[in-house]
Amino acid sequence: KAGVTQTPRYLIKTRGQQVTLSCSPISGHRSVSWYQQTPGQGLQFLFEYFSETQRNKGNFPGRFSGRQFSNSRSEMNVSTLELGDSALYLCASSASQGRDIQYFGAGTRLSVL
Amino acid sequence: QKEVEQNSGPLSVPEGAIASLNCTYSDRGSQSFFWYRQYSGKSPELIMSIYSNGDKEDGRFTAQLNKASQYVSLLIRDSQPSDSATYLCAVAAYSGAGSYQLTFGKGTKLSVIP
Repeated sequence: KAGVTQTPRYLIKTRGQQVTLSCSPISGHRSVSWYQQTPGQGLQFLFEYFSETQRNKGNFPGRFSGRQFSNSRSEMNVSTLELGDSALYLCASSASQGRDIQYFGAGTRLSVL
Repeated sequence: QKEVEQNSGPLSVPEGAIASLNCTYSDRGSQSFFWYRQYSGKSPELIMSIYSNGDKEDGRFTAQLNKASQYVSLLIRDSQPSDSATYLCAVAAYSGAGSYQLTFGKGTKLSVIP
């Protein structure tokens, strides 16, 4: 069974640009969560989608948005990039919402210059 | 604000010893508890999950949960240098409208000395 796939693996952008990251969950999983990981802050929750609906949202500005498609694939978008957005962005999928085990993808490393 | 607290370490143990990692959480209604291991530059991978009070063993790993004390721990027996990593505690709690949210601690860095 294929794992969680995130693309691209690495991205370099400049301040003010926008970026879209993609996540394909494990087959049959309907929940996708996004996290930002930085050395100082650890894993911070961005949002979770279940059956195309955002179920939870973390404490991030509106520049961070996401969506989920009918095949459970998810995208997250960051507009007007800032230097502080440089981080590892992780996607995790689970079979159902919330209490189930989450399986992580390899992540997208975003560098904002 | 639901909080999950871990000692950041580093925790250093000699090879073959028992490593003990601890985690406390603030939401008394939390229902699911997980330990993830993260090697440097890699993504987190699940080590253990535990849902009810008591101990759960899987090979060299034992998770312990005490809901009354809001405390969960991970013991690693016969520690190996390959166990050197950051260990993340994660707790799922009700977040409203029929939803649950997973909150991660900042992790404990474990170093196993040969």
